[in-house]
Amino acid sequence: NAGVMQNPRHLVRRRGQEARLRCSPMKGHSHVYWYRQLPEEGLKFMVYLQKENIIDESGMPKERFSAEFPKEGPSILRIQQVVRGDSAAYFCASSPGRSGRVGPANEKLFFGSGTQLSVL
Amino acid sequence: SQKIEQNSEALNIQEGKTATLTCNYTNYSPAYLQWYRQDPGRGPVFLLLIRENEKEKRKERLKVTFDTTLKQSLFHITASQPADSATYLCARPPGNNDMRFGAGTRLTVKP
Repeated sequence: NAGVMQNPRHLVRRRGQEARLRCSPMKGHSHVYWYRQLPEEGLKFMVYLQKENIIDESGMPKERFSAEFPKEGPSILRIQQVVRGDSAAYFCASSPGRSGRVGPANEKLFFGSGTQLSVL
Repeated sequence: SQKIEQNSEALNIQEGKTATLTCNYTNYSPAYLQWYRQDPGRGPVFLLLIRENEKEKRKERLKVTFDTTLKQSLFHITASQPADSATYLCARPPGNNDMRFGAGTRLTVKP
């Protein structure tokens, strides 16, 4: 079974460009989480999604950032008009979830290897 | 606000010794805590989960304790090896839906 797949592994953008980060959860997983990590800092929650639904986006900046998890295909974290402060490692995690319930509820998270975004 | 804190940013120990890492939480009573390992340039990997009604849990050379009175979890690695060098993160379940992580403790085991 393939693990959580994130691409690209490294992404370089100039200020003002758009960044699109992709995450394919583990097979059978319907919950996706995005985290951001700066050097020497912990993981900061951004958004939690289930298929076609945003469950919790309380950690995501109100402007320029958006996320989706369509019925088909990977989850996408989109950052418009990137600025230097957006440079960070972005990690995606997935969990199986349980039908009709939200939240990790004792579920461990499986993480991808991350996308390192560098804004020039 | 609900916080989860790992007191030590870095811990250096000699090979063969026991490493003890601390995780404290405030303004919250989590039903469980999780511990993850993160290597440079990689995503975290789940290690152990301990529930509030469990005092201790073990997995090979790893041991985790959960003290709800002290609001603290301790993570021990016995007979440490250089390969144990990594950053260790504790995580608590949400008030809402996400898993919140501490800043991590970077462990270095010297041969």
